[in-house]
Amino acid sequence: SQQGEEDPQALSIQEGENATMNCSYKTSINNLQWYRQNSGRGLVHLILIRSNEREKHSGRLRVTLDTSKKSSSLLITASRAADTASYFCATDLKLTFGEGTQLTVNP
Amino acid sequence: DAGVTQSPTHLIKTRGQQVTLRCSPKSGHDTVSWYQQALGQGPQFIFQYYEEEERQRGNFPDRFSGHQFPNYSSELNVNALLLGDSALYLCASSPGLAKEFFGPGTRLTVL
Repeated sequence: SQQGEEDPQALSIQEGENATMNCSYKTSINNLQWYRQNSGRGLVHLILIRSNEREKHSGRLRVTLDTSKKSSSLLITASRAADTASYFCATDLKLTFGEGTQLTVNP
Repeated sequence: DAGVTQSPTHLIKTRGQQVTLRCSPKSGHDTVSWYQQALGQGPQFIFQYYEEEERQRGNFPDRFSGHQFPNYSSELNVNALLLGDSALYLCASSPGLAKEFFGPGTRLTVL
């Protein structure tokens, strides 16, 4: 069964705007992680949030976690063209990533 | 400190053949996981190795097997290749059950 499922599938915004992506999962977790993947390359770890945390910041990234709704969101503020990539969430159960959210930031 | 490295970068095989992909984990990492990522899809977990043993396995047939060596490096073997095995194969390492660091992947094409 799929652990991480991202929404929306694709998001296109202008540089400087904020981008919000959502992730839902099905079972209890110890932590949830967000990754970025540039076209056809390896995944880059962005941020890990533990099940007892509600919000976490890292630079322009803000991640929230709502374990009661089994959902998480990733906010990228003041987006840049270099943020264009696919974004995935994954839980610690290491089953399946979702299809990801393809973010395009237009200059 | 080198990150996770994988070899080869690209590989072309034909149906029915066997393939071995290699992964060297980041220094200090003892756990290696393998993922398959088809075009346009998210990575799918194949299996994870720790202390030279398979610790977890995803929904993949027995044609997919692996090995971890005493130096923590790992191999992924796929037998009797099918066209559908064409994908990007990602290796990730971690110190135990902490966040994973991914390698650049091996692009396998099966003709």
